[in-house]
Amino acid sequence: DIQMTQSPSSLSASVGDRVTITCQASQDISNHLNWYQQKSGKAPKLLIYDASNLEAGVPSRFSGSGSETHFSFTISSLQPEDIATYYCQQYNNLPPTFGPGTKLDIK
Amino acid sequence: EVQLVESGGGLVQPGGSLRLSCAASGFTFSSYSMNWVRQAPGKGLEWVSYISISSNTIYYADSVKGRFIISRDNAKDSLYLQMNSLRDEDTAVYYCAKDSTSTSLDRWGQGTLVTVSS
Repeated sequence: DIQMTQSPSSLSASVGDRVTITCQASQDISNHLNWYQQKSGKAPKLLIYDASNLEAGVPSRFSGSGSETHFSFTISSLQPEDIATYYCQQYNNLPPTFGPGTKLDIK
Repeated sequence: EVQLVESGGGLVQPGGSLRLSCAASGFTFSSYSMNWVRQAPGKGLEWVSYISISSNTIYYADSVKGRFIISRDNAKDSLYLQMNSLRDEDTAVYYCAKDSTSTSLDRWGQGTLVTVSS
């Protein structure tokens, strides 16, 4: 199975800050990397698919980049409603595997 | 609007069985592969199982292989997960999730809680 790592595991930032999370795959996954947002007590929500494509209806302050084994996810200007845990996920091979998550809160 | 609504969760003793259902609406269910993903309390997301459009391709996580059975009824727009020989470590919120046209899970249900405890 492909292993996914994320850093940092937690992050505290101020409203308006630029926030970046990184994700690394244990082998080449091309661009088949997705990012999900999960707010407390809610289901995950797809934000970014295929590394850099913004899901319909998702604010443009969210973006993603990367390929092969190294990926990043950025919030250009942190908003209070962005408090959540963010997960990367590879879907290049079955089983689809998730990173351990990055918990983001407001400083 | 796409909706996925899970049901069937509850409290079950170790070794017991439970059947989860996921009712789909707002899209052509028979045109999309589906998945079950679970989340233990306070933990991350774990993919559980995948079923293709016509049920001819099925995959399971090693942790549930031989104990769980995924199925679907395209006539009823429904996805199922039969869970047998349940263990304490199967305690989790179980989500059904729709495959997108790309390689992602683009819609999720609200989840149903399964608690395995004596």
